[in-house]
Amino acid sequence: QQPVQSPQAVILREGEDAVINCSSSKALYSVHWYRQKHGEAPVFLMILLKGGEQKGHEKISASFNEKKQQSSLYLTASQLSYSGTYFCGTLTGTASKLTFGTGTRLQVTL
Amino acid sequence: DGGITQSPKYLFRKEGQNVTLSCEQNLNHDAMYWYRQDPGQGLRLIYYSQIVNDFQKGDIAEGYSVSREKKESFPLTVTSAQKNPTAFYLCASSILASSGYEQYFGPGTRLTVT
Repeated sequence: QQPVQSPQAVILREGEDAVINCSSSKALYSVHWYRQKHGEAPVFLMILLKGGEQKGHEKISASFNEKKQQSSLYLTASQLSYSGTYFCGTLTGTASKLTFGTGTRLQVTL
Repeated sequence: DGGITQSPKYLFRKEGQNVTLSCEQNLNHDAMYWYRQDPGQGLRLIYYSQIVNDFQKGDIAEGYSVSREKKESFPLTVTSAQKNPTAFYLCASSILASSGYEQYFGPGTRLTVT
């Protein structure tokens, strides 16, 4: 079953922060985060494995709440280059394939 | 340079014709995947392969076929049975098909069927 992402879209001014959530109804083994610019391929941001570990990548970090089967992506002091659509992909049970959410469109303006 | 190549970038076909999309990787990855993306939508898995000569259906396999005769190649055929084939098709690969490995994506092929 497809994970649910929220919000569907968000507009930020440069320097503002944002949080994107990804929730699953199934037990999660891992959550992958990708960013896609319009017309381009998705680019890997980070993976969070079962265990609640928080990861960071420059000013973008993420957490994994095993109890809630939810992951959150935190974008701090957003830059224009952060604009794009963010997708979470989840791995559940013994499945070896990712199921992606429908994406969160992020636009950063001046 | 290691990576995934997809060709062509744009493809136009008439309804009723089969068409094959190419995907090649030189990353020495075992797992390969095909996704379909429609405007404003997420990525939906068509087929995936964990090893050579083996592949599994994804969530939307109807009207598509694949082969995996070589580790580096995973072509996708969109058959005339696919009711709505116009979409952006993305190929990806990963070291293994398991939770800890990121997927690398190719640049995609935009297929238009009229």
